[in-house]
Amino acid sequence: DIQMTQSPSSLSASVGDRVTITCQASQDISNYLNWYQQKPGKAPKLLIYDASNLETGVPSRFSGSGSGTDFTFTISSLQPEDIATYYCQQYDNLPTFGGGTKVEIK
Amino acid sequence: EVQLVESGGGLVKPGGSLRLSCAASGFTFSSYSMNWVRQAPGKGLEWVSSISSSSSYIYYADSVKGRFTISRDNAKNSLYLQMNSLRAEDTAVYYCARALYSGSYTFDYWGQGTLVTVSS
Repeated sequence: DIQMTQSPSSLSASVGDRVTITCQASQDISNYLNWYQQKPGKAPKLLIYDASNLETGVPSRFSGSGSGTDFTFTISSLQPEDIATYYCQQYDNLPTFGGGTKVEIK
Repeated sequence: EVQLVESGGGLVKPGGSLRLSCAASGFTFSSYSMNWVRQAPGKGLEWVSSISSSSSYIYYADSVKGRFTISRDNAKNSLYLQMNSLRAEDTAVYYCARALYSGSYTFDYWGQGTLVTVSS
C-alpha cells in the first residue's frame, strides 16, 4: 500500500493568514493526488483533483501543487468557513488517505 | 442534483452481518464507478471497496477482503455493501461515494453516511 504522510496534524491560524498543508507519498504517484475538506458531522467534499485542479464551485483561495512524492495544499487567505479537517488522497494504486489536518482559527 | 442516500446502518454484535444500501439520484448511475469509504469515530478516512459501472471490476481494501461484498443494481440506481463477520474495528460511518468517471478514484459526490456500530 502507498502511505500518505500529511503534516501538520493540526494548525491554528488567524483569519486572512496563508495556510499550507503538505502531503508526502511513500512512492512516486505522479499527480494522482486529491484534496478533500471535511467539516464536523459532514461528508468530505472534493476541493482539488489531479494535484492542482480546482473542483467546480470551489473558491480560488484554495490551491494545490506538487508531483511525484511531495504535494502542497494552500489556503491563500483563511476564512472562518474554512474551519475543517483536510485530507489528501492518492489514487496511483488503490486509494489511501493522509491522516488529516485539522484547521482552527486562532 | 446528485444525491446519494445511505441506509442500513445500526448496532450489530461481533460476528454478525449487516447490509448497507445507497440510493442514487440526479445522474446516470449506470455510467459511474461507485465506492464505499468509512470513517471510524474520531479517525481519518479509509477506502473500503469499489465497483465499476457494469460490475466488471471490483476491489477491496485488505482489511475487509473476504468479509465484505460490494454490489450494485443499475436498474434500481442502488449500491450495496454486504458486511459479514463484523468486528469491533469495523465500527465507523460508512459513506458511498461516486467516482468522477468510470475507473477513477476521485470522489466527487458523497452521501451523508450511515453509522455501523459493532459491539456486544
